[in-house]
Amino acid sequence: ETGVTQTPRHLVMGMTNKKSLKCEQHLGHNAMYWYKQSAKKPLELMFVYNFKEQTENNSVPSRFSPECPNSSHLFLHLHTLQPEDSALYLCASSQDQGLQETQYFGPGTRLLVL
Amino acid sequence: QKEVEQNSGPLSVPEGAIASLNCTYSDRVSQSFFWYRQYSGKSPELIMSIYSNGDKEDGRFTAQLNKASQYVSLLIRDSQPSDSATYLCATGGGADGLTFGKGTHLIIQP
Repeated sequence: ETGVTQTPRHLVMGMTNKKSLKCEQHLGHNAMYWYKQSAKKPLELMFVYNFKEQTENNSVPSRFSPECPNSSHLFLHLHTLQPEDSALYLCASSQDQGLQETQYFGPGTRLLVL
Repeated sequence: QKEVEQNSGPLSVPEGAIASLNCTYSDRVSQSFFWYRQYSGKSPELIMSIYSNGDKEDGRFTAQLNKASQYVSLLIRDSQPSDSATYLCATGGGADGLTFGKGTHLIIQP
């Protein structure tokens, strides 16, 4: 595996379900990010982790819970979601949190909440 | 609140012509600017980054930055049908992550 991988690629869940999204980066990076991409809206930053420590929570509802056990893995735990949470969830990583660091994106998980 | 504005398009350009994509941003202290390309159903991939005023060229792509006008653009020369995609302008980075525009949908007509 190379780059940034995400599983599952597609997910359908009911509002009462609990599921988790997984992201793994094989680039030796230290910073990881979760973004949400909804139709007709810009990519929105959700969470930022640097060396496993959360450095940013962009006012995300508590029904989204991130976890970063190490610099290579990032999870997004989902529970009691709403239909408006249906979107493409993108994970990204960068070498560190320098302003000129390029963020590399995974393929995303397309989530549908029924 | 940081904002990045882009014309959503679609922008239709004949094959072989120059495609010009524009972006404005609200945060005067922004230092880093990125252009990502996103094909339908795919994730964004970096095309160009630019940090200083002026032009930066990479193959058929040229990024232009004017910090005084808070304006950044991307020129694509000799446009190809494979360039048809949504182009996302982003600024920021670091601990605050990137702030993206909505993207411009570019269509290259054969």
